[in-house]
Amino acid sequence: AQSVSQHNHHVILSEAASLELGCNYSYGGTVNLFWYVQYPGQHLQLLLKYFSGDPLVKGIKGFEAEFIKSKFSFNLRKPSVQWSDTAEYFCAVEFGSWGKFQFGAGTQVVVTP
Amino acid sequence: GAGVSQSPSNKVTEKGKDVELRCDPISGHTALYWYRQRLGQGLEFLIYFQGNSAPDKSGLPSDRFSAERTGESVSTLTIQRTQQEDSAVYLCASSSSGTLYSYNEQFFGPGTRLTVL
Repeated sequence: AQSVSQHNHHVILSEAASLELGCNYSYGGTVNLFWYVQYPGQHLQLLLKYFSGDPLVKGIKGFEAEFIKSKFSFNLRKPSVQWSDTAEYFCAVEFGSWGKFQFGAGTQVVVTP
Repeated sequence: GAGVSQSPSNKVTEKGKDVELRCDPISGHTALYWYRQRLGQGLEFLIYFQGNSAPDKSGLPSDRFSAERTGESVSTLTIQRTQQEDSAVYLCASSSSGTLYSYNEQFFGPGTRLTVL
């Protein structure tokens, strides 16, 4: 069965530190990959997405993610975080092209000043 | 507004009562999704509507849960005989498939927080 896993449930780091959040999925076919972010008190919103082409994708607010097909991974990175990056981050995978998504459990990121 | 809206924003009900949650998707979006988010957990897929196709109900946790969508507009999620474990935030999202720049990106509503006493 398809699955999506996020390795860290809680991450605490200081401003200017680098961030990397892991996301792995299990599925042998084509996938579309997404990272969503939910800032405190706000809606879920799209951070970045990968459909095809360059496996390194850049999103909003300085985030990027790399799709490594051989590892079934789509890790999110930011070289230098800010306090405003405090949020919950969700990895999502569309398996095939049916429009049905599966989300990871989320990672709560807290950035301390 | 132009976003996905949901109502009510909060719902407190007694165990055993029925509740109905509403979602207004972005105009023109053919796909509509319902998710459940329990406290401290990820998003749990419930049901997916795509145009006039039969909905994918594979995520509905029991037959107490049902959802309808009128054409490509409003959707309602109904929970009958609510139980305490139904307490969660219910999120709706819509998407427009087939366009170059927004293919399958989901736009989320603010959610309905359901509390079953």
